[in-house]
Amino acid sequence: KQEVTQIPAALSVPEGENLVLNCSFTDSAIYNLQWFRQDPGKGLTSLLLIQSSQREQTSGRLNASLDKSSGRSTLYIAASQPGDSATYLCAGVPQGGSEKLVFGKGTKLTVNP
Amino acid sequence: KAGVTQTPRYLIKTRGQQVTLSCSPISGHRSVSWYQQTPGQGLQFLFEYFSETQRNKGNFPGRFSGRQFSNSRSEMNVSTLELGDSALYLCASSLEWGPTQYFGPGTRLTVL
Repeated sequence: KQEVTQIPAALSVPEGENLVLNCSFTDSAIYNLQWFRQDPGKGLTSLLLIQSSQREQTSGRLNASLDKSSGRSTLYIAASQPGDSATYLCAGVPQGGSEKLVFGKGTKLTVNP
Repeated sequence: KAGVTQTPRYLIKTRGQQVTLSCSPISGHRSVSWYQQTPGQGLQFLFEYFSETQRNKGNFPGRFSGRQFSNSRSEMNVSTLELGDSALYLCASSLEWGPTQYFGPGTRLTVL
């Protein structure tokens, strides 16, 4: 069964710092991978989607990469801002599985002014 | 376009009762998925409906069920509520074969 691990569980950085969030899969057979942001008490906002034929995606200050051979993905946030404070979740669609998305437990990011 | 809407946003029930949650997908989206989020287990997939048929199912007991209507709106039902069912229930919609899922704000269920 596919399991997703996100490291670190929590991260606190000063404003302006560049940072990397990590996500790893027990089974590298991932069809595609999605990064989400969740604000307290709210639903999920999709940030980036890496489809099966892609290796990375960029949107503004965010860059996500996927290395299927190692079962790892990273989310890079450049020049962090206090408004980036949230929980970041990665989720993969397992190949051949019955689950729609398998989620990690998230990294809680705090960006201090 | 309006986003995914979920009703009610908050719900308090007692053990043994049953509950029905509703989800309206983005217009044109025919796939609706349900997830349970708890502090201990994180986000877990419940089931997915497409064209009124359950297409995928997660590992949850039969007390959790759902359905989808012809207008793509979906409901999920939990019978014989247990304390452990307290969670944020999230609904997501997507295009027929689209990989990107769009989530609603969730329904916060508290079981006393």
